[in-house]
Amino acid sequence: DQQVKQNSPSLSVQEGRISILNCDYTNSMFDYFLWYKKYPAEGPTFLISISSIKDKNEDGRFTVFLNKSAKHLSLHIVPSQPGDSAVYFCAASPFSSGSARQLTFGSGTQLTVLP
Amino acid sequence: DAGVIQSPRHEVTEMGQEVTLRCKPISGHDYLFWYRQTMMRGLELLIYFNNNVPIDDSGMPEDRFSAKMPNASFSTLKIQPSEPRDSAVYFCASSSSSGSERANVLTFGAGSRLTVL
Repeated sequence: DQQVKQNSPSLSVQEGRISILNCDYTNSMFDYFLWYKKYPAEGPTFLISISSIKDKNEDGRFTVFLNKSAKHLSLHIVPSQPGDSAVYFCAASPFSSGSARQLTFGSGTQLTVLP
Repeated sequence: DAGVIQSPRHEVTEMGQEVTLRCKPISGHDYLFWYRQTMMRGLELLIYFNNNVPIDDSGMPEDRFSAKMPNASFSTLKIQPSEPRDSAVYFCASSSSSGSERANVLTFGAGSRLTVL
């Protein structure tokens, strides 16, 4: 039973355009969400996070949106750059319950930004 | 800091052999995690430690898998005997217990790619 789902295994976007990566979750105990980026032959690296008390968090070209009622979050990258080409993992945790350490990851979305 | 260090980066072994993967967490981090990445299951948590003590090993797939953390700067994940279905990339990650949301941020190593023939 996948509690965090990334239904699009891949996404291709033209350089300069917006990339939108989506993530759905089923566990209502999740209240902290993160996005990680992974390049080939490297470990995932933290990109951006959002707490359930917010519906938007922005960091430069990256913005994460959270829709709690729909149990959906998305990562927007504007403008997309070829260096953004990587696998993006969505992750969630029940921070407030004290189980912050137990991050549940989605299966990832391979983003390819075409020059 | 050099980050989370994992070794070996690549391991090819034959079915039935023992495999030991090693991890050195970031100095000062008191949480250590072992994850496995496969095409079918994505990134799944195997086990995690707090202050060298195993807290949750419910993700360890079978008794063939074991993990230890003898001190704050070293952990091992052992598979004995190994099977072809164990082929995957194994990641070690660490984090600190600052009590803030930022504490959720794991720092991953580069991973150990295991191939069991």
